[in-house]
Amino acid sequence: DIQMTQSPSSLSASVGDRVTISCRASQSISSYLNWYRLKPGKAPNLLIYAASSLQSGVPSRFTGSGSGTDFTLTISSLQPEDFATYYCQQSYSTPYTFGQGTKLEIK
Amino acid sequence: QLQLQESGPGLVKPSETLSLTCTVSGDSISSSSYYWGWIRQPPGKGLEWIGSIYYSGSADYKPSLKSRVTISVDTSRNQFSLELTSVTAADTAVYYCASLGSTWYSARYYYMDVWGKGTTVTVSS
Repeated sequence: DIQMTQSPSSLSASVGDRVTISCRASQSISSYLNWYRLKPGKAPNLLIYAASSLQSGVPSRFTGSGSGTDFTLTISSLQPEDFATYYCQQSYSTPYTFGQGTKLEIK
Repeated sequence: QLQLQESGPGLVKPSETLSLTCTVSGDSISSSSYYWGWIRQPPGKGLEWIGSIYYSGSADYKPSLKSRVTISVDTSRNQFSLELTSVTAADTAVYYCASLGSTWYSARYYYMDVWGKGTTVTVSS
């Protein structure tokens, strides 16, 4: 299985801050990398697919970059609804695997 | 607009079979645009892909669960289902169903674009 490692595991920030979350794959996955946001009691949201493509309806403050083994999700100006847990996921091969998550908390 | 809703028992006894259904609305489950999948999140842990299925019945499972898992499609009801046999406390989790859409960029890129809200299943006697 391809192992996905996110950093940091948790992050404290304020509304308006710019934050970056990293994701590393245990082998090259080209651009087969997706990002999701999870909030308790709500359906998870797809934010970014194919490493850098913004899902329809997702605000432009979300940006994805990277290829190969190293990827980044950047939120340019945090909004209150962004305080949640974020996961990367590889779709290069099955079994699809996720990172362990990054919990974004209000400072 | 595609919507998914999980349903099933919230409590299952150890050694028994966990059965969940995902009802699809807003599009046909027979659409060639999607695969359909199940993902779970144990308490305090991350997300785990369980498996995916195409409307034709072709399925793919996580190898460590493959001996206990069956995902099936009921096109007449626009539903797909998950069965997990011989459950233990380790199978306690929030279970999500999701559609797997795709985009062609010189290769086909898959992603879980629409999710249900999830249903909590506890394995306990």
